[in-house]
Amino acid sequence: KNEVEQSPQNLTAQEGEFITINCSYSVGISALHWLQQHPGGGIVSLFMLSSGKKKHGRLIATINIQEKHSSLHITASHPRDSAVYICAVVPKEAGTASKLTFGTGTRLQVTL
Amino acid sequence: GAGVSQSPRYKVAKRGQDVALRCDPISGHVSLFWYQQALGQGPEFLTYFQNEAQLDKSGLPSDRFFAERPEGSVSTLKIQRTQQEDSAVYLCASSLGLVSETQYFGPGTRLLVL
Repeated sequence: KNEVEQSPQNLTAQEGEFITINCSYSVGISALHWLQQHPGGGIVSLFMLSSGKKKHGRLIATINIQEKHSSLHITASHPRDSAVYICAVVPKEAGTASKLTFGTGTRLQVTL
Repeated sequence: GAGVSQSPRYKVAKRGQDVALRCDPISGHVSLFWYQQALGQGPEFLTYFQNEAQLDKSGLPSDRFFAERPEGSVSTLKIQRTQQEDSAVYLCASSLGLVSETQYFGPGTRLLVL
């Protein structure tokens, strides 16, 4: 069993829909990251959080440390949001290394 | 260039050939990470540098993999005697400090071993 699990693996939505991607992890963490990867490989960091909720534009990320669960929400989705969204955690055992343990990603396609 | 750069972007190697992949982190970033991403999978940690010191190499899959960052800036990941299972995208990321914070990723080097 992977330490970081995401659901769904694939998601198709119509433009304007509200989207939720879920991430569950099984280890103690010091931080959780949400990343966006477009075709061709480039990865962009969307959020880093260790508690509560963060918002940036149409993106909202929440985390529940007790339940070891995080969600990424996209409001008013747009075709340009189409990408792979990856959840990654920094295990507490990582110490100062801050190395990431990644989920396998959720492939999102937003259609017109 | 303000971001992390990697070269080459694409590399085709014959099995058994040695390859060297370069990462130029953001200037002044202390931490540098290498990750390996197989097709259809999430990235996996390979190794971590704090300035020139390689503090964690627990993710390197075999002794054919070697990484260095001799002056605490540019890093090179070297793979000796490449095998087909080494085919993947190799990602480099850097962050400003030592503790958990945003990592900035390069575009990756796509390695194909024939």
